[in-house]
Amino acid sequence: AQSVTQPDIHITVSEGASLELRCNYSYGATPYLFWYVQSPGQGLQLLLKYFSGDTLVQGIKGFEAEFKRSQSSFNLRKPSVHWSDAAEYFCAVGGRNTDKLIFGTGTRLQVFP
Amino acid sequence: DTAVSQTPKYLVTQMGNDKSIKCEQNLGHDTMYWYKQDSKKFLKIMFSYNNKELIINETVPNRFSPKSPDKAHLNLHINSLELGDSAVYFCASSQGLAYNEQFFGPGTRLTVL
Repeated sequence: AQSVTQPDIHITVSEGASLELRCNYSYGATPYLFWYVQSPGQGLQLLLKYFSGDTLVQGIKGFEAEFKRSQSSFNLRKPSVHWSDAAEYFCAVGGRNTDKLIFGTGTRLQVFP
Repeated sequence: DTAVSQTPKYLVTQMGNDKSIKCEQNLGHDTMYWYKQDSKKFLKIMFSYNNKELIINETVPNRFSPKSPDKAHLNLHINSLELGDSAVYFCASSQGLAYNEQFFGPGTRLTVL
């Protein structure tokens, strides 16, 4: 079955600390992987995506993610978190011939000053 | 010059009523989507239209009927509203298949009393 698991429902970090949000997926074909961010009261915005090639992808707002096929993971990282990064983060998986993205349940990030 | 807009932003109604949510995108995309986000933030696709044709219809009650009058619009009509329909409904659009970046609207928070 196709699925995305985000094991951490809620993460709290201090401003300036590093961040890693975990994402594991199950997908029968070559996965296309995404991270979206949802600020309070807003729609989702794409942070970054991985289709092929270099397994370390850079996104907007200083985020990066690393695809590890052997671990079926696509973890999101940021070296130094800013208070404005507080939001809900969603990992999603899709495929080349599908019109559907499957989203994880999200990780809520709280940032303390 | 909002990319994907939805109206209304908030909708409060009684059980049994019929309501509509409208979505418009000015990005020139050919694919539009409706998602439902429940109280636990779980995001699930409901429908997808490509060039005004329905291409994804998840297991959604037939009380929900999408309508796409043209490529830039995708409306959602809900008949006989139930308590369980309370959620945030997001419209999104993309060019081509879902693995291209999806742009999300700000959401419509529906509350059924």
